[in-house]
Amino acid sequence: LAKTTQPISMDSYEGQEVNITCSHNNIATNDYITWYQQFPSQGPRFIIQGYKTKVTNEVASLFIPADRKSSTLSLPRVSLSDTAVYYCLVGPPPGSNTGKLIFGQGTTLQVKP
Amino acid sequence: DAMVIQNPRYQVTQFGKPVTLSCSQTLNHNVMYWYQQKSSQAPKLLFHYYDKDFNNEADTPDNFQSRRPNTSFCFLDIRSPGLGDAAMYLCATSNPGQTGFNEQFFGPGTRLTVL
Repeated sequence: LAKTTQPISMDSYEGQEVNITCSHNNIATNDYITWYQQFPSQGPRFIIQGYKTKVTNEVASLFIPADRKSSTLSLPRVSLSDTAVYYCLVGPPPGSNTGKLIFGQGTTLQVKP
Repeated sequence: DAMVIQNPRYQVTQFGKPVTLSCSQTLNHNVMYWYQQKSSQAPKLLFHYYDKDFNNEADTPDNFQSRRPNTSFCFLDIRSPGLGDAAMYLCATSNPGQTGFNEQFFGPGTRLTVL
């Protein structure tokens, strides 16, 4: 499984757009990139998943360049409730019959008023 | 609502006293996982079941065992808890046939204290 590298922490202010970049230089051809959010004393929550270019849902956008060696999670107009740890993971494509996720250190996002 | 349930939310045990944590799911997912998360660390995968097939991580201590008697339930047994086993234990599920392995649904966790 490809190793991921993220900033340990980031600060932002309410209403700003936050971009968290993850490096995964050894990503395999078929691997997908997945992001999770975890609040204190709760289990992680799936945010978004993608393979290339751009994916957007109601929560976030995920930008993946052509070489796929990095990805950026974009959170539009963050609020205090977006303060959490964000994990970038690399895992098998949908439809695989085997696979697991290995969590890296994550990025602690602190949103300030 | 379909969900992953973990009981109890908080568990206190004594050093060396066996303890069992339970997880149930109403999602009817094939795969169930157990993670250990220590304070300020990322979740660490202990093992997972794909249906009845058990998959142990190479670095999971023998002190940790798991049972999955049916699709809905999965148990984590710690045979002789040590102080270093104090952590949050997270159960998760996934449905590879529909959403893949990457989209996992986590329970709220059981926080284990070892005295």
